[in-house]
Amino acid sequence: LAKTTQPISMDSYEGQEVNITCSHNNIATNDYITWYQQFPSQGPRFIIQGYKTKVTNEVASLFIPADRKSSTLSLPRVSLSDTAVYYCLVGGLDTGGFKTIFGAGTRLFVKA
Amino acid sequence: DGGITQSPKYLFRKEGQNVTLSCEQNLNHDAMYWYRQDPGQGLRLIYYSQIVNDFQKGDIAEGYSVSREKKESFPLTVTSAQKNPTAFYLCASSIAGKKLNIQYFGAGTRLSVL
Repeated sequence: LAKTTQPISMDSYEGQEVNITCSHNNIATNDYITWYQQFPSQGPRFIIQGYKTKVTNEVASLFIPADRKSSTLSLPRVSLSDTAVYYCLVGGLDTGGFKTIFGAGTRLFVKA
Repeated sequence: DGGITQSPKYLFRKEGQNVTLSCEQNLNHDAMYWYRQDPGQGLRLIYYSQIVNDFQKGDIAEGYSVSREKKESFPLTVTSAQKNPTAFYLCASSIAGKKLNIQYFGAGTRLSVL
């Protein structure tokens, strides 16, 4: 399974755009990139998933460069309620899609 | 209202006791998972099941056991062999066979040792 590296923590202010980058140098050809959000004492919640280029949904965008060795989760105009831990996961069925690895994640603190 | 239900929310275990954490889903998902989370840490996979009557060990299966007799249910037993069981336990489910399976999580069970 591809190992991922994320910053341990990030600070931001309300209304700003936040970009969290994840490195995954040994990503395999069939691997997908998935991001989750977790609030204290709750289970993680799926945010977005992508394979290449750019994916956008109602809460975030995911940017993946051509070499796919990294990805960036972009949260537009964050609010206090976006304070959470964000996890980047990489994998697919042929690398054990059922066997996922959640690293320590990135703790995002949004200040007023 | 579809989702994953974990119970109880809080659980206390005495020395030498086995305890069972419940996980039920009505999402019609084939795959189910159990994770352990320690304070300030990420999630670690205990067991996962791709289909009824089948399950595989994750990274930290020692001291735990599971069963998958029904599609909807995947109970986790924390045995007395697990010497440090205090943690936050999370159950998840997903559709099998789709990309890196998007997992849907329950609200968790917090287990403490008396």
